[in-house]
Amino acid sequence: RKEVEQDPGPFNVPEGATVAFNCTYSNSASQSFFWYRQDCRKEPKLLMSVYSSGNEDGRFTAQLNRASQYISLLIRDSKLSDSATYLCVVNRPGNTPLVFGKGTRLSVIA
Amino acid sequence: DTAVSQTPKYLVTQMGNDKSIKCEQNLGHDTMYWYKQDSKKFLKIMFSYNNKELIINETVPNRFSPKSPDKAHLNLHINSLELGDSAVYFCASSPPGLAGYEQYFGPGTRLTVT
Repeated sequence: RKEVEQDPGPFNVPEGATVAFNCTYSNSASQSFFWYRQDCRKEPKLLMSVYSSGNEDGRFTAQLNRASQYISLLIRDSKLSDSATYLCVVNRPGNTPLVFGKGTRLSVIA
Repeated sequence: DTAVSQTPKYLVTQMGNDKSIKCEQNLGHDTMYWYKQDSKKFLKIMFSYNNKELIINETVPNRFSPKSPDKAHLNLHINSLELGDSAVYFCASSPPGLAGYEQYFGPGTRLTVT
């Protein structure tokens, strides 16, 4: 089982739609969780951290389910500018760097 | 005022050559990383340095040799380049602490080996 697995995508949605991405992780001792965004031919950038109680940032909501080792990202009222690849990121326990999922590609269509 | 910068942005070279990629960060971070993103878009850690010391060395051929002259710079030298080395190489840095919190990425170096 891969350390971080994501919906393969691509997701093609119309503007204004609500879209949800899922991610599972294999290491139950993982403690930090993030969603990064990567635009085409650009570097990954942090979108938001994911907290145990769930958190929201504008149109974006992140949820964490530790029991199921599952993370989600919900985007409401999709904009054309949301088109990108969304990377689920998890830390390994100890002094190890982050582990990146393969990403889910989103295309928002006018 | 670029936070993490890399040079060159594009690198096209022939098999067997030796090349270097440079990375600099002006964020005052202690930890720097090299990642490889291949054609399947999978982003994989290669090396991690903390305060000029190597702390992570994933399974990477020893043709790849990182060097950190100071904590603001982490360079990557690649010997005897192979076709399979073609990828985008990202440098990143993160704040003090080794837990791999928010990472700031450079713009990437697109390496093509012919």
